[in-house]
Amino acid sequence: EAAVTQSPRNKVAVTGGKVTLSCNQTNNHNNMYWYRQDTGHGLRLIHYSYGAGSTEKGDIPDGYKASRPSQENFSLILELATPSQTSVYFCASGDLWGQNTLYFGAGTRLSVL
Amino acid sequence: AQRVTQVQPTGSSQWGEEVTLDCSYETSEYFYRIFWYRQLFSGEMVFLIYQPSFDTQNQRSGRYSVVFQKSFKSISLVISASQPEDSGTYFCALSELITNTGKLTFGDGTVLTVKP
Repeated sequence: EAAVTQSPRNKVAVTGGKVTLSCNQTNNHNNMYWYRQDTGHGLRLIHYSYGAGSTEKGDIPDGYKASRPSQENFSLILELATPSQTSVYFCASGDLWGQNTLYFGAGTRLSVL
Repeated sequence: AQRVTQVQPTGSSQWGEEVTLDCSYETSEYFYRIFWYRQLFSGEMVFLIYQPSFDTQNQRSGRYSVVFQKSFKSISLVISASQPEDSGTYFCALSELITNTGKLTFGDGTVLTVKP
């Protein structure tokens, strides 16, 4: 069974503060992704990675940075958090070879006050 | 640009009924995959089924199947013998194979309620 673990599960941050969301996968998948989900909407891609050391911009990268220090770990960084970044963030991993199903973590609920 | 539309924000059924959830999409690519995920009330995203564009056969997986109309760029998820445990939000998502990034573009989802 695929395993993607996100931490923290809930986070309250102050405007202008730095926030780091962490993701760990034990699937040995090359690709990892960060999405955000706003209430009543689908997931939108922020950043993704093909492997350790690589990060790519997704559809809504502004205000976010990503870091992939290893195959297993992928972080999302908000250097200067704003209230508009209040959302639920999902990490996912996937392997391009095969059917390329993405496996999602349980999500991190972030509130920026 | 790719886009996924789910025009039914909500849907409902009675226990045991067949449910159909609709999705349409826009893509200029020939090779792509359409995925269906279900989001549980806990927020967890669960993979259900996927349809590759190059396969003319509608995919099936347990009680889930799809009706794929490639020429209309539409796909429906069919849930047979629906149960209250099937309640949740269902998302359709598109992945273009030509770029091979594996990234998904999601629709806004359909909230399904199955009544006992």
